[in-house]
Amino acid sequence: GESVGLHLPTLSVQEGDNSIINCAYSNSASDYFIWYKQESGKGPQFIIDIRSNMDKRQGQRVTVLLNKTVKHLSLQIAATQPGDSAVYFCAEKGSSNTGKLIFGQGTTLQVKP
Amino acid sequence: EAGVAQSPRYKIIEKRQSVAFWCNPISGHATLYWYQQILGQGPKLLIQFQNNGVVDDSQLPKDRFSAERLKGVDSTLKIQPAKLEDSAVYLCASSLGNANEKLFFGSGTQLSVL
Repeated sequence: GESVGLHLPTLSVQEGDNSIINCAYSNSASDYFIWYKQESGKGPQFIIDIRSNMDKRQGQRVTVLLNKTVKHLSLQIAATQPGDSAVYFCAEKGSSNTGKLIFGQGTTLQVKP
Repeated sequence: EAGVAQSPRYKIIEKRQSVAFWCNPISGHATLYWYQQILGQGPKLLIQFQNNGVVDDSQLPKDRFSAERLKGVDSTLKIQPAKLEDSAVYLCASSLGNANEKLFFGSGTQLSVL
């Protein structure tokens, strides 16, 4: 079946350092991946996405890397700030055409001042 | 641009009672989703609408959960009767179209069943 998982439940980094959050997926047919940030008491907020025909995409302070060979996805946050503290979810679009996203369990990012 | 609106923000009920949640998606978004997020887990899809039709309700516990989107805009999700394990955050999301993967989420309704 389809599943999306994250390697670590909690990641603690120093303010100003770079953060790397990892995600493994199991459906080799997935063609779209997305990262969401969820702050306490709020809904998930879109960060960045990537399609399977790419292996890297950059946004403002964030980069997503996709390794289809090992079915691995990562989110890199440059110069991590206290406002980056949140739970980060990766999600994959399943093999159907319905736009259904399957979410992983989430990684909590803690930024120490 | 207004985001996805949900109400109520919080709800506390006793088991076996009924409860309803309301969602107003982003204007012009044809696709609406209801997700259930249990504490410490990622969101899980309950039901997906395209306009006023159901696209996917395979994970909706239909013996107690129901949802409708009669006019293709607002939606309601109902639980009757509620169980303790229904305690979760119920998130509504919308997207432009059926295959448009970028979902925009509301802040959710936090349900506690006692």
